[in-house]
Amino acid sequence: EVQLVESGGGLVQPGGSLRLSCAASGFTFSSYDMHWVRQATGKGLEWVSAIGTAGDTYYPGSVKGRFTISRENAKNSLYLQMNSLRAGDTAVYYCARVGRVARKAYDYWGQGTLVTVSS
Amino acid sequence: QSALTQPASVSGSPGQSITISCTGTSSDVGGYNYVSWYQQHPGKAPKLMIYEVSNRPSGVSNRFSGSKSGNTASLTISGLQAEDEADYYCSSYTSSSKVFGGGTKLTVL
Repeated sequence: EVQLVESGGGLVQPGGSLRLSCAASGFTFSSYDMHWVRQATGKGLEWVSAIGTAGDTYYPGSVKGRFTISRENAKNSLYLQMNSLRAGDTAVYYCARVGRVARKAYDYWGQGTLVTVSS
Repeated sequence: QSALTQPASVSGSPGQSITISCTGTSSDVGGYNYVSWYQQHPGKAPKLMIYEVSNRPSGVSNRFSGSKSGNTASLTISGLQAEDEADYYCSSYTSSSKVFGGGTKLTVL
């Protein structure tokens, strides 16, 4: 059974840093592209970052230069290092697997971890 | 990139059909056949319902169908059931990134 379990969320002050983790199981983690997607309370989904199987990374302008996505295939783990956090980064952060049958779509999601940026 | 445009809300009675639209541009929806749709119940993670415009993952009811014309994609739910009440989001691949719609709240009357 495919499972994605996020951790590392919490309360952080503006300008602070946080590192999120996503533990993957039930599939060959190294063979899949992985993304982070966030959702502010009562708002829609927003793509945050992507990492390919070769370690290539992609970001939207809203987080580029502040967030860093990485993966450690030996540990079946995905990470998101978030620096210079702002109030607008407050959201539930989901890790999501990009399907190989369902190409360019997220076929599995974690349960999410809440990040709150506030003084 | 701007979010894709979805209606904020739609509603229908049990047994009826509804359609949710998702309008983008030639750089996203119109340029790729990589439109996907997600269902999200309150407090839950999104669930993939449609990928590559019109394909259903295993286990998703055939009451859900997708299509695309030009820069607009659509999700149709036929034979509405109470459990279909949820938020629905469209998404499109676009030049090494992803963009989502703002979401549509489906109310089953």
